Amino acid sequence: GAVVSQHPSRVICKSGTSVKIECRSLDFQATTMFWYRQFPKQSLMLMATSNEGSKATYEQGVEKDKFLINHASLTLSTLTVTSAHPEDSSFYICSARADVSDTQYFGPGTRLTVL
Amino acid sequence: GEDVEQSLFLSVREGDSSVINCTYTDSSSTYLYWYKQEPGAGLQLLTYIFSNMDMKQDQRLTVLLNKKDKHLSLRIADTQTGDSAIYFCAESISDYKLSFGAGTTVTVRA
Repeated sequence: GAVVSQHPSRVICKSGTSVKIECRSLDFQATTMFWYRQFPKQSLMLMATSNEGSKATYEQGVEKDKFLINHASLTLSTLTVTSAHPEDSSFYICSARADVSDTQYFGPGTRLTVL
Repeated sequence: GEDVEQSLFLSVREGDSSVINCTYTDSSSTYLYWYKQEPGAGLQLLTYIFSNMDMKQDQRLTVLLNKKDKHLSLRIADTQTGDSAIYFCAESISDYKLSFGAGTTVTVRA
């Protein structure tokens, strides 16, 4: 149980385009989903907290207009990187928390490369 | 604020025990976690411990918690080559968020 998927696993795009990443909880309902960014050989940096049916809460320094988050259902959250630039290239990981647990279950990550 | 610290590297011989140490700062953390990350992959939850526990054992994994010193450790018995990965310690903070350490890269040598 507690499986979280992400799609796509890898994406390469041109500078200026927008990219959407999906995060799904496959076998449980996720009240809260989190989006992280990980730079090479570094830890995870929390970008935002996404609650179903409400606006995401962004961490300090994260541009909400740049990283659009939608949590339309209890099993799906999306992160859209708008007008992507090479500095947005990174590994993006989502996690999901079930309603009755503090534990976060992580997706496999999405490698974004912006040319 | 929240700050989790770990040593960056650990090299261990196959069959030996590995011990990864972590210190944290938020004394109100309810849960403390250990996650494993293999190259190019997401984080796999290995185990967690509730803050009112001192020890938790799960097969080859033993977690020790010293709440007074805010010290957490993960012991992997009979370390195998498949245990080579980055191990992250994390503490629960406000609003169900997690604060992660920088990760310990464990290399298992034959």
